[in-house]
Amino acid sequence: EAGVAQSPRYKIIEKRQSVAFWCNPISGHATLYWYQQILGQGPKLLIQFQNNGVVDDSQLPKDRFSAERLKGVDSTLKIQPAKLEDSAVYLCASSQKGLLAQNIQYFGAGTRLSVL
Amino acid sequence: DAKTTQPNSMESNEEEPVHLPCNHSTISGTDYIHWYRQLPSQGPEYVIHGLTSNVNNRMASLAIAEDRKSSTLILHRATLRDAAVYYCILRDLGTGGADGLTFGKGTHLIIQP
Repeated sequence: EAGVAQSPRYKIIEKRQSVAFWCNPISGHATLYWYQQILGQGPKLLIQFQNNGVVDDSQLPKDRFSAERLKGVDSTLKIQPAKLEDSAVYLCASSQKGLLAQNIQYFGAGTRLSVL
Repeated sequence: DAKTTQPNSMESNEEEPVHLPCNHSTISGTDYIHWYRQLPSQGPEYVIHGLTSNVNNRMASLAIAEDRKSSTLILHRATLRDAAVYYCILRDLGTGGADGLTFGKGTHLIIQP
């Protein structure tokens, strides 16, 4: 079974530029998550999708971050314009729909973003 | 989600058992205890979860205190590949479908050969 695919693995941009990350979840997984992991910290949830609808985006900085999952499968996360503090690893995860407290999330390897 | 407390780091020798503690004194009756780990340069991966009873799987065992205020992840025979950051996370039944994981800083497990 293929895992969660993310691209690119690495990205270097200058501040005020824009960047986009792509995620392909495990086949059949209805729920998709984006997390931000700053160096030395645990991942922090940015947004959760159920199919193509947003379930939770309370921690997404909406002035510069946006995400979409138009057909309920692949997803893209965009930052525009990027700031120095956006340097982090961006992780995508997916899970099957089921009992929420027992859902297992499967993570991709992440995209490491460096903003100069 | 309720808060958990873990040691910042632990060290163990290869081929010996490892006991990773987690305190969660404010756990509610519907909170499940989940463990994930993150190997270097990888995304987190699921290890094990439980509610009240001790649990075993091919990766590890989870021992849950009778009052559920603490739990211990047990790696029965650590290998160098088990060197990772281990996260203890509480998850409740959720409201409105929101079930994102709330990670702390976790325990950095160092395995000595």
